[in-house]
Amino acid sequence: DAKTTQPTSMDCAEGRAANLPCNHSTISGNEYVYWYRQIHSQGPQYIIHGLKNNETNEMASLIITEDRKSSTLILPHATLRDTAVYYCIVPDQGGSEKLVFGKGTKLTVNP
Amino acid sequence: NAGVTQTPKFQVLKTGQSMTLQCAQDMNHEYMSWYRQDPGMGLRLIHYSVGAGITDQGEVPNGYNVSRSTTEDFPLRLLSAAPSQTSVYFCASSYRRTGGLGYTFGSGTRLTVV
Repeated sequence: DAKTTQPTSMDCAEGRAANLPCNHSTISGNEYVYWYRQIHSQGPQYIIHGLKNNETNEMASLIITEDRKSSTLILPHATLRDTAVYYCIVPDQGGSEKLVFGKGTKLTVNP
Repeated sequence: NAGVTQTPKFQVLKTGQSMTLQCAQDMNHEYMSWYRQDPGMGLRLIHYSVGAGITDQGEVPNGYNVSRSTTEDFPLRLLSAAPSQTSVYFCASSYRRTGGLGYTFGSGTRLTVV
């Protein structure tokens, strides 16, 4: 079973920041948090991952709480192309070989 | 560098037929996985491999076989196709390193079993 919980859906206005929350209250000390997204009918796309420090790359920022029980993916300036299902994943046993996808959050970016 | 290549992109099978979905990657990734995605649902892990010669079952392995004779290839075999196996199949690969850059997914094979 997936080890994370996410809201089923969210809406965001184009150009505004999209903040997608994820709860992972049973996370262990050496387990990473990964974020992927899936744009309609395409293969999932890796976005970002983190252990305990906040991370930023060209796609997004990842904010992990100090107790590591939750995280937030931030798309700073959402565009219509960011409409997708976003998955927050905590792989088992501290490794990344086995990803179990939950239902994710359907983000709709509105014009 | 082609990434993860899946063939065929589309396939229609009759119940009881067998076939192999091909997956190849040219990134020298140790990890490879197969997922299926049914309409309106999330991805479910079928089988995965942590290296050549090593495979393991995921959440929904029944009706499927895999082998990993080379680092590059990870074929998925349907032994006797059933309508319940109508789905989109995704192959993915990743470096072995913990905390690595995550999986790269192929574009999928859309399979219909009639």
